[in-house]
Amino acid sequence: AQSVSQHNHHVILSEAASLELGCNYSYGGTVNLFWYVQYPGQHLQLLLKYFSGDPLVKGIKGFEAEFIKSKFSFNLRKPSVQWSDTAEYFCAVNSYSGGGADGLTFGKGTHLIIQP
Amino acid sequence: DADVTQTPRNRITKTGKRIMLECSQTKGHDRMYWYRQDPGLGLQLIYYSFDVKDINKGEISDGYSVSRQAQAKFSLSLESAIPNQTALYFCATSDRTKSTGELFFGEGSRLTVL
Repeated sequence: AQSVSQHNHHVILSEAASLELGCNYSYGGTVNLFWYVQYPGQHLQLLLKYFSGDPLVKGIKGFEAEFIKSKFSFNLRKPSVQWSDTAEYFCAVNSYSGGGADGLTFGKGTHLIIQP
Repeated sequence: DADVTQTPRNRITKTGKRIMLECSQTKGHDRMYWYRQDPGLGLQLIYYSFDVKDINKGEISDGYSVSRQAQAKFSLSLESAIPNQTALYFCATSDRTKSTGELFFGEGSRLTVL
């Protein structure tokens, strides 16, 4: 079965610091990759996604992620974080087998706290 | 208005009670899902449905049942709630015609079982 590993469960940064959150997945075939964000008290919102083409994808609010197939990784980055980036971040994978989407497999999440 | 609506948003109940969480969507998607979120565990798939006549178990379906009353409605039931079912529950939808599998989430239903 597909599994997703997020390396950091809790990250604390100061404003303007650079951010990188690690994500690795286990499936070796065709995958679609996602990062979702959950702000305090809210539902999950899509930050960015990769399904083909340029392995460096840009999302909302200045976030980007790079798909490295050889490393089974899809790390999330942001050059300069803001206090408003405080949230829970989830990496997710859809191991598309041609039969359609049967749901995403999520990592356990990274709780990011940005200190003013 | 939200495209994916969950009711109730918050519910406190007692052990042994039957609980139903409802989800409706206006996105026109054929696929619907129920996930459970626990702190430190991420989201786990309970059930998913590809259309009205297609219901599938996810990774943690024990103790839960679902009903797909219409394309736009997908409800989750706990026949006899127990305290370890205390969690945040999310309904989600996806579009069969889009092979990326992106999910669109409701705002969540927080369930507390005493």
